[in-house]
Amino acid sequence: QITLKESGPTLVKPTQTLTLTCTFSGFSLSTSGVGVGWIRQPPGKALEWLALIYWDDAKRYSPSLKTRLSVAKDSSKNQVVLTVTNMDPADTATYYCAHRPPYSSGYYVECFQHWGQGTLVTVSS
Amino acid sequence: DIQMTQSPTSLSAFVGDRVSITCRASQSIGRYLNWYQQKPGKAPKLLIYGASSLEGGVPSRFSGSGSGTDFTLTISSLQPEDFASYYCHQSYSTPYTFGQGTKLEIK
Repeated sequence: QITLKESGPTLVKPTQTLTLTCTFSGFSLSTSGVGVGWIRQPPGKALEWLALIYWDDAKRYSPSLKTRLSVAKDSSKNQVVLTVTNMDPADTATYYCAHRPPYSSGYYVECFQHWGQGTLVTVSS
Repeated sequence: DIQMTQSPTSLSAFVGDRVSITCRASQSIGRYLNWYQQKPGKAPKLLIYGASSLEGGVPSRFSGSGSGTDFTLTISSLQPEDFASYYCHQSYSTPYTFGQGTKLEIK
């Protein structure tokens, strides 16, 4: 059974750096083809893809946020960390991490099969 | 960036109705299209991947079709638990993008 859970601060001040941790179980980020993505959703709005890290440490970022985003994995701890610098009230959102299944499992396109419960981060002074 | 446009943005229907939601991509994305269901306060749930493949455990009343730029999610007979928001998602190229969502409400 695959589970993911996001953790981190619920309130940050403008200009601060946000660090969120995704702790997962039921899969290994050392397994070929596996990835973990980050997606956010401002209150009442649509989903926005942020970043994706793969088993081989390849990383993909949203170009609109690339200068502010960083993602890293610790496969031994089953964790992925997302860092967002220079936080702004417009970054207020629920942040989700999600499991990207490998093509070898039959998922022939990238998708997010399992999701964490999400964590609401509010940016306010 | 590839823009994903869903229609309608909201929809009211009765239990038992057949409903369809469409998603249009700003350029061809082959079959790199996924559909998610999201209920209030919950994380999205994968329904359909690769335009038409049903995720395990998802009821067969859900189906997906399309390729290129035009895609459709169909629910053949609405059940009470289907009232939720639905999002399409292209994974053809980064930045991956989602549609703006369709809120399905009980009439």
